[in-house]
Amino acid sequence: DAGITQSPRHKVTETGTPVTLRCHQTENHRYMYWYRQDPGHGLRLIHYSYGVKDTDKGEVSDGYSVSRSKTEDFLLTLESATSSQTSVYFCAIRPTVRNTEAFFGQGTRLTVV
Amino acid sequence: AQRVTQPEKLLSVFKGAPVELKCNYSYSGSPELFWYVQYSRQRLQLLLRHISRESIKGFTADLNKGETSFHLKKPFAQEEDSAMYYCAHNAGNMLTFGGGTRLMVKP
Repeated sequence: DAGITQSPRHKVTETGTPVTLRCHQTENHRYMYWYRQDPGHGLRLIHYSYGVKDTDKGEVSDGYSVSRSKTEDFLLTLESATSSQTSVYFCAIRPTVRNTEAFFGQGTRLTVV
Repeated sequence: AQRVTQPEKLLSVFKGAPVELKCNYSYSGSPELFWYVQYSRQRLQLLLRHISRESIKGFTADLNKGETSFHLKKPFAQEEDSAMYYCAHNAGNMLTFGGGTRLMVKP
């Protein structure tokens, strides 16, 4: 597997609490992505990063923020978790964007109760 | 907005039957398209990309610009092909995915 790990792997949290998910890579890839996977919706892009401190919004960014202070870590924060954010979250990395393979983490299953 | 559409959420076939997983895209330029697969309890992984014109595990996909399609095909499905399949499109820095199609190959 590509050197990409997500933590935690599972989390249950209460509505209204902040939650941070971590994506860590050892590949020194420039591009990092956060997706959520929901039945019937497939994978939807939340935020992505194209370098340290360079991030941008994806398709479903409301209620989420990200930070990338160093190449290897990309953090996704749910500022105030809601039940609609119950999902499986995937991180992905790519060295470049042109026709290159994206490598995915194992996923984080988040339940907001 | 640039979109990738997979019209079928579920496709069920018998072993040995041909398989076609549909993918349509809306993009005005030269698209960069991929198929990703997620087997049960495994990470999402690249299956093939249109630029390579390759065949992986017996699957092929041809880009049809006239029909704006990138359908995934296999002439004879195997039980181990049962998985979730996603069509994906490169749009600038973003990699966006369709809704996915679950393929079930019955014995």
